[in-house]
Amino acid sequence: DTGVSQNPRHKITKRGQNVTFRCDPISEHNRLYWYRQTLGQGPEFLTYFQNEAQLEKSRLLSDRFSAERPKGSFSTLEIQRTEQGDSAMYLCASSGNQGGRLYFGPGTRLTVL
Amino acid sequence: GQQLNQSPQSMFIQEGEDVSMNCTSSSIFNTWLWYKQDPGEGPVLLIALYKAGELTSNGRLTAQFGITRKDSFLNISASIPSDVGIYFCAGSPQGGSEKLVFGKGTKLTVNP
Repeated sequence: DTGVSQNPRHKITKRGQNVTFRCDPISEHNRLYWYRQTLGQGPEFLTYFQNEAQLEKSRLLSDRFSAERPKGSFSTLEIQRTEQGDSAMYLCASSGNQGGRLYFGPGTRLTVL
Repeated sequence: GQQLNQSPQSMFIQEGEDVSMNCTSSSIFNTWLWYKQDPGEGPVLLIALYKAGELTSNGRLTAQFGITRKDSFLNISASIPSDVGIYFCAGSPQGGSEKLVFGKGTKLTVNP
């Protein structure tokens, strides 16, 4: 079991640039989640996929954010025209059929200058 | 919206002491989970609870799902230095959403 992996682990970008993060879930898991975490806070839900279908999106996910899971395996999260307020840890998690048990990856730390 | 109130915000204890932290909500949750997060890493699942009143242990950790389904607690017995970290409660709100809602965390410091 290789666990959830995320790439890159760290990303520094200038305001206005686009960034893309990748998540590879645990192989047999059909559910995949994206969360955002800022300093001193718990993770906040962004969006959720079951297989390739994006079934739920938070109001936090502005139109500059888009997530895909084209083949129901890995997922990408893209942020367009980054703003300083986008600086955060972006966490990916996956789960199988045992509801609620989310397994998180190590996260991608985004810094927008 | 659904919010989880987690307390205390931080704890400073001596090695060997027991620790208790809790989480409450104004709304009902179907599932309660407890996670631990080390700096720069993702949260790691410690315990998952699925039924009101359920009491579950994982080594020195014990957690309970409150009978009102609006609260949960986590106890750590005989703390050791590697227990240091931030502990988060999380819950799956009633209503069919797949998302987990997280508390703000309890930062635990263990002095050797």
